[in-house]
Amino acid sequence: GAGVSQSPSNKVTEKGKDVELRCDPISGHTALYWYRQSLGQGLEFLIYFQGNSAPDKSGLPSDRFSAERTGGSVSTLTIQRTQQEDSAVYLCASSFSGDSEKLFFGSGTQLSVL
Amino acid sequence: SQKIEQNSEALNIQEGKTATLTCNYTNYSPAYLQWYRQDPGRGPVFLLLIRENEKEKRKERLKVTFDTTLKQSLFHITASQPADSATYLCAPGKGGSYIPTFGRGTSLIVHP
Repeated sequence: GAGVSQSPSNKVTEKGKDVELRCDPISGHTALYWYRQSLGQGLEFLIYFQGNSAPDKSGLPSDRFSAERTGGSVSTLTIQRTQQEDSAVYLCASSFSGDSEKLFFGSGTQLSVL
Repeated sequence: SQKIEQNSEALNIQEGKTATLTCNYTNYSPAYLQWYRQDPGRGPVFLLLIRENEKEKRKERLKVTFDTTLKQSLFHITASQPADSATYLCAPGKGGSYIPTFGRGTSLIVHP
């Protein structure tokens, strides 16, 4: 596609429910990132996928968070048993290869946990 | 621990003036530093990358400097326009690591 696509753009859920956020990276990009941005805060790194290598999960805040990337393309970020503090904008980015530092971001998913 | 500091207060300037934004970092030796622009409701958009062996980089009305001694990068927008109003994020990166760490960003408001 022309850019990084994320869905849904907005998600409202109840505390305790599971949510899935989807990211479609730019075609041909091998690296994929998930970041989280809370109101007035910087981007918090969550997880990084590069090709077929094991993902770097060092930024995941708890074991309620997980992500997978199927076929080296689409990625899904799953948050189980959501909490109010999970409310944030979840941003996905991709880059051409693992040695290209320039990231292309999607518009994000605004997650609101009530 | 690593720390990236950007002015938290919004920078208000008049159209036509030069805007200068600051990014300071501590406990960190980045091999490169990126600047991104973020508009409300959108993801960041890459603007410029400068490497540790480069002192200055230019692109159209944008100029970035990188002083590894002062541990600081300055981002300049000359002849600023209201359309330049946005939040600007700096993101230093370590050599061999392709996971940039982002500052909180500085909001720039250019008044007509």
